[in-house]
Amino acid sequence: KNEVEQSPQNLTAQEGEFITINCSYSVGISALHWLQQHPGGGIVSLFMLSSGKKKHGRLIATINIQEKHSSLHITASHPRDSAVYICAVLAPGTSYDKVIFGPGTSLSVIP
Amino acid sequence: EAQVTQNPRYLITVTGKKLTVTCSQNMNHEYMSWYRQDPGLGLRQIYYSMNVEVTDKGDVPEGYKVSRKEKRNFPLILESPSPNQTSLYFCASRFRGQAGELFFGEGSRLTVL
Repeated sequence: KNEVEQSPQNLTAQEGEFITINCSYSVGISALHWLQQHPGGGIVSLFMLSSGKKKHGRLIATINIQEKHSSLHITASHPRDSAVYICAVLAPGTSYDKVIFGPGTSLSVIP
Repeated sequence: EAQVTQNPRYLITVTGKKLTVTCSQNMNHEYMSWYRQDPGLGLRQIYYSMNVEVTDKGDVPEGYKVSRKEKRNFPLILESPSPNQTSLYFCASRFRGQAGELFFGEGSRLTVL
């Protein structure tokens, strides 16, 4: 079983729809990152969370530490939101905090 | 501007020809890491460094070397590349503590023939 799982694996939405991507993890963490990767492009950090909720424009990220679950919401989705969204957790270790990546969720927003 | 810079962005080479992918960051980050990304396998860590002259293996270190002689630079060395090292490579950096946001380079697409 993977330590970080995401659902759905693939998602197609119509422009304007509300989108939710879920991330569940099985290890203790100190922080969780949501990353975005456009086709053929680099990876950018959208959010870093250790508790609660953060909002940036049309993007909202929440985390429930007790349930070991995080969600990324996109309101009023747009074709430019089409990308792979990756959940990554920072797991405390003996010498350093290791980053463990989820498999990613591929989002396609159709005009 | 805070950034992680990788070079080259694209490279086609042949089996056995040594190559180096450079990575440089301008944020004074202690932690730097190399990942490879392959379809269906996601991002996997190759090597990481907690500070100058401190490096350690990640999950898939075979066939790779790294060095950290300066804080800003963390080159990835393929001494004798093989076709199974054809992949998309990312360098990343962050501050060592829990509050460190992850910064990624733009990626280096390597093809080994």
